[in-house]
Order: sequence, then structure tokens, then C-alpha cells
Amino acid sequence: AQRVTQPEKLLSVFKGAPVELKCNYSYSGSPELFWYVQYSRQRLQLLLRHISRESIKGFTADLNKGETSFHLKKPFAQEEDSAMYYCALKDRDDKIIFGKGTRLHILP
Amino acid sequence: EAQVTQNPRYLITVTGKKLTVTCSQNMNHEYMSWYRQDPGLGLRQIYYSMNVEVTDKGDVPEGYKVSRKEKRNFPLILESPSPNQTSLYFCASSLSWTTGTSSYNEQFFGPGTRLTVL
Repeated sequence: AQRVTQPEKLLSVFKGAPVELKCNYSYSGSPELFWYVQYSRQRLQLLLRHISRESIKGFTADLNKGETSFHLKKPFAQEEDSAMYYCALKDRDDKIIFGKGTRLHILP
Repeated sequence: EAQVTQNPRYLITVTGKKLTVTCSQNMNHEYMSWYRQDPGLGLRQIYYSMNVEVTDKGDVPEGYKVSRKEKRNFPLILESPSPNQTSLYFCASSLSWTTGTSSYNEQFFGPGTRLTVL
């Protein structure tokens, strides 16, 4: 069965330090993967998608099919990065499966 | 302003009393979806709709119904709510994506509806 796993519920990182939010997936086929972010008192919004290979707000994510991972990375954390981050997978039936989320807390 | 709206934003009800949460989008999106967000469980998809009169079950459809009679609206219906349906509900919409290609369109989320079933 398809599954998205975010092993960390909470990740605390000092400002200026590198950030890595882990995401592993289980899916038979070619997955489409995304990262969503929810800032405090704001709506959930798309951060980036693997097919675009883009960098948004300094974040990047590379799909590693061998490790079935899609970790979100940023070289230097900023205080405004504090938020809830969700990894998500779209299956071939267009169903969306979210991970349980990781709360990123940037320490001053 | 392009947006997804949900009503009501907050609702406290009792077990067994039918309720409907409305969702409306003004972006002419084909795809609409409902999620529930629970502590420790993240977001789980309840139902989704690829277009008018087309709906499919998500991961947790039990106890819920939806309808898609118009493109802009996608109401979530709880025929007989139970306390385990106490949750934060989000509606989302996006343009359709073509099956078989990697063309995903960003989902736009509503503000959420906090439902408490006593």
C-alpha cells in the first residue's frame, strides 16, 4: 500500500544551520511527490514539487528512487521557515496521500 | 480574488445530527478534495472529485458523503456525525491534471472548518 512517512514530528534547528526534513515513501510505480507548508495562522500551500526541480524560498528536494526518499533541504535556516511541513504523494488514481507532518522550529 | 471558501468555519454539534460543510471555489477548477487534519495523523484525504458528477473515495471516506453537482461547489455531508469525526477539515481545489503524465496543478486550500461532535 502507498504510504508517506515523515519520521520526525518536531525538528529544531538554529538559525543559519542547515535544514533537512525527511520524507520516505512506499509506492509501486513512478511517484509524484510534493512538499506543502503551513505557516502559523495561514492556509496550507504548495512549497515545491519534484517534477519542477525548483528551489523555493531556498528549499530544494530531490527524488531518490533508490532510497524512496524525497527529503527537503535548505542550507541556511531562517526564522521565517518555522512552520509545519507536509510531504505528499499523488498516486496513479489521482489520490493524494500526505505524511503526518514535521514541525520545523528555527531557534534564534 | 481567487479563493476557496468553506462554511461554517467553526461548528459544534451533537451525535447523529446531520450536517453539511460547504466548499466553494471561484477559479473554475475541475479537481476538488476534502481532507481532515488530526494531531499525529497529519492530513488524510476523505473524498475527491475530478469534475462535475465524478467523485472518488480517498483514504478515509467512512461516515462521509460528497456531491459535485456544480463545478464550483463540493459540499461535505455527515449524515450521522460521531465524536470520532471531530477534526479540522480542509477543502482544496486545483486545475485538473492529465492522467498518465506528470502534469500536477497546485492545490489551493480553504481556511479550514473546525468541527466538534459531542
